[in-house]
Amino acid sequence: GAVVSQHPSWVICKSGTSVKIECRSLDFQATTMFWYRQFPKQSLMLMATSNEGSKATYEQGVEKDKFLINHASLTLSTLTVTSAHPEDSSFYICSARATGGMVNEQFFGPGTRLTVL
Amino acid sequence: AQSVTQLGSHVSVSEGALVLLRCNYSSSVPPYLFWYVQYPNQGLQLLLKYTSAATLVKGINGFEAEFKKSETSFHLTKPSAHMSDAAEYFCAVSPPSGNTPLVFGKGTRLSVIA
Repeated sequence: GAVVSQHPSWVICKSGTSVKIECRSLDFQATTMFWYRQFPKQSLMLMATSNEGSKATYEQGVEKDKFLINHASLTLSTLTVTSAHPEDSSFYICSARATGGMVNEQFFGPGTRLTVL
Repeated sequence: AQSVTQLGSHVSVSEGALVLLRCNYSSSVPPYLFWYVQYPNQGLQLLLKYTSAATLVKGINGFEAEFKKSETSFHLTKPSAHMSDAAEYFCAVSPPSGNTPLVFGKGTRLSVIA
């Protein structure tokens, strides 16, 4: 149980285009999802906290107009990288916190590798 | 505020040798503590977690960790390293309740030498 999926697993796009990444909790409901970014050989950097039905809370320094987050249902959150540029190339990982489950345990998706040419 | 410090960005051990990855935490409330493993180009896999029950926690793949409040530590150990253990390991801390995200350490890369 407690499986989180991400789609796509990797994507290559041209500079200036927008890319949408989906994060789904497959067998549980998640009131809260988190989006992280990971550069090569570095730790995970929290980008934003996404709560179902409300606006995401962004970490300092993360452009909310650049990284659009939508959490429209208890099983789906999306991250859209708008007008992507090469510096946005990174590994994006989402995690989900189960509703009513063990308090504050988070389950991680497999990650999405974004390469912007 | 909570934080995690992982001592040693890279640890190298011989196959069959003891694995010891260090993690120290700082927390104003009793924390929950986690160890995750990450293989190249993959997400994080939970190895084990401490949630205020037994202080010695056993996880998957033969790993275990001991919560020591007096030392504010949660070191990860495995008696005998296997080649397949080579990966990146992250220690993380969170308060026991609320919607706050995990706070991760910078990670330790484990290399296993044949």
